[in-house]
Amino acid sequence: DSGVTQTPKHLITATGQRVTLRCSPRSGDLSVYWYQQSLDQGLQFLIQYYNGEERAKGNILERFSAQQFPDLHSELNLSSLELGDSALYFCASSVQGALTGELFFGEGSRLTVL
Amino acid sequence: DQQVKQNSPSLSVQEGRISILNCDYTNSMFDYFLWYKKYPAEGPTFLISISSIKDKNEDGRFTVFLNKSAKHLSLHIVPSQPGDSAVYFCAASATDSWGKLQFGAGTQVVVTP
Repeated sequence: DSGVTQTPKHLITATGQRVTLRCSPRSGDLSVYWYQQSLDQGLQFLIQYYNGEERAKGNILERFSAQQFPDLHSELNLSSLELGDSALYFCASSVQGALTGELFFGEGSRLTVL
Repeated sequence: DQQVKQNSPSLSVQEGRISILNCDYTNSMFDYFLWYKKYPAEGPTFLISISSIKDKNEDGRFTVFLNKSAKHLSLHIVPSQPGDSAVYFCAASATDSWGKLQFGAGTQVVVTP
């Protein structure tokens, strides 16, 4: 158990819909990262928040947005869903914003868009 | 643009033998490299890391080697055990990237009895 909690674990929805994925970081961790893993691919960095502020952005689509709340949990919002958005979405956390050690990953949220 | 590449999607090795996983990168700004291990239905877990100021880091059965001139790193697992069967991801980051990791596509390792 990494201490990072992601909900929901599985989500099935239709094209055009909007979903919200939620992440609670490890206790004490200020940084939250979102990654997307599509079929047979590595994890693609989407976005990072540090203590409530956006810190780094990857190849995140404009249809996707995220935020980190004062209690440090984070939400990833995916809208106007397309078939290609079907993937595993991982949240990870770390103590600091810059990499001094490893990231702790949640179990992921599997999104299926039909 | 895949900046971290793991060209072997799978590796089968006998229990007790050495597993060697390879990873290549293209971005010369990368200065920190990590290996993660992932079991099905779980998130990746950190295995071992190496800074660019070193060329080797060892932790028990796991050793990571870094060849900066070749932009290549490898993970050695000796001896391999059945519990090592998992997907292994190579990842890299740069100092000014605020912890943003670039991952390879992963190598599925199967350790056979």
